Amino acid sequence: NAGVTQTPKFQVLKTGQSMTLQCAQDMNHNSMYWYRQDPGMGLRLIYYSASEGTTDKGEVPNGYNVSRLNKREFSLRLESAAPSQTSVYFCASSEFDGQDQPQHFGDGTRLSIL
Amino acid sequence: GESVGLHLPTLSVQEGDNSIINCAYSNSASDYFIWYKQESGKGPQFIIDIRSNMDKRQGQRVTVLLNKTVKHLSLQIAATQPGDSAVYFCAEKGGGSYIPTFGRGTSLIVHP
Repeated sequence: NAGVTQTPKFQVLKTGQSMTLQCAQDMNHNSMYWYRQDPGMGLRLIYYSASEGTTDKGEVPNGYNVSRLNKREFSLRLESAAPSQTSVYFCASSEFDGQDQPQHFGDGTRLSIL
Repeated sequence: GESVGLHLPTLSVQEGDNSIINCAYSNSASDYFIWYKQESGKGPQFIIDIRSNMDKRQGQRVTVLLNKTVKHLSLQIAATQPGDSAVYFCAEKGGGSYIPTFGRGTSLIVHP
């Protein structure tokens, strides 16, 4: 059982380039999330999808777009990368089965913007 | 507890000691609390959770304590091992929100 899979694991971009980060989960979870993690800042939510067909902004959505392609997949796009978007990006998924359940995270995409 | 500035709070212990990591939360409506462990180069990994109708929950070598009166959560790790070295995050959720709020983390260093 792979859980949450993120691709690529590492990427270097030049300022202005575009890129899509991919995320897939095999746990049949309804909700999926994109976070960025910077030193000393903890996890900050970029966008989330409560269920297939819906997406909503999180704390730091500027410069990003998302697509919930189907129940399994949730992608994050940087249309014109900026150095401030250098970060580690984590995808997560979770389920609500009448009670809150914990999020499950992928191992991240380490993105550097030059 | 929570970090200030760019540096995480650090807890340094000897192998075999018990470790206690603390977390303060601010939302009195929070009713679900989670602890995660993050090893270097990996994503956060779920350790244990607790709901607000409980004040203590035990797992394998870990115990979470919840004090709703003072909005405080702690993670106790028994007989700490070098493999426990990681950053530990607490998260809180409640009020029907889809979104948990994460603390900044505490770095646990276990010396052999």
